[in-house]
Amino acid sequence: EAQVTQNPRYLITVTGKKLTVTCSQNMNHEYMSWYRQDPGLGLRQIYYSMNVEVTDKGDVPEGYKVSRKEKRNFPLILESPSPNQTSLYFCASSFGRTGYEQYFGPGTRLTVT
Amino acid sequence: DAKTTQPNSMESNEEEPVHLPCNHSTISGTDYIHWYRQLPSQGPEYVIHGLTSNVNNRMASLAIAEDRKSSTLILHRATLRDAAVYYCILRDSGRDDKIIFGKGTRLHILP
Repeated sequence: EAQVTQNPRYLITVTGKKLTVTCSQNMNHEYMSWYRQDPGLGLRQIYYSMNVEVTDKGDVPEGYKVSRKEKRNFPLILESPSPNQTSLYFCASSFGRTGYEQYFGPGTRLTVT
Repeated sequence: DAKTTQPNSMESNEEEPVHLPCNHSTISGTDYIHWYRQLPSQGPEYVIHGLTSNVNNRMASLAIAEDRKSSTLILHRATLRDAAVYYCILRDSGRDDKIIFGKGTRLHILP
């Protein structure tokens, strides 16, 4: 089954403790992206990657890192999480850029205390 | 800032057509118009996309204005399951591919 998976689905952590949210897709997609969703602010793009070893900043990249060493995986790294990074995070992928639909993962709800 | 403008919310009766508008007055010639929706407690899902011509698929129709500065997502016969937030976005065909979702339109379906 074609899908985007994220782990963990739920995470409660403390300020400053490094964490990684994994994202994996099985559709051989080139484009992958991370979003965060907050009440009243909608979906905002954090980082995106157009191919292996190619990543770029979205609208809200501060406090996040990503890597794209393999085509299927696109982990989101929070080196020193802070409470303002408490949010719902979505990973997405698509074959290419403009003319292709994005497939979204189920989301990761992160709480930083 | 979002490059599209949508009403915050809309209401429609069940089994009637729904027309969801989107303005994108600064659209460039090669920007694709995409629509997604997000059901409660789920991730966004793709609905439809187009470039210049109107498009139909099993979920909806997309009507694109001749000048491409606006578009309308048409749900032909709304059901309660169509209650969701609908996002209209532009996918930039320039060098970068940032995607800006905006806040979308919350569609309420009345039984």
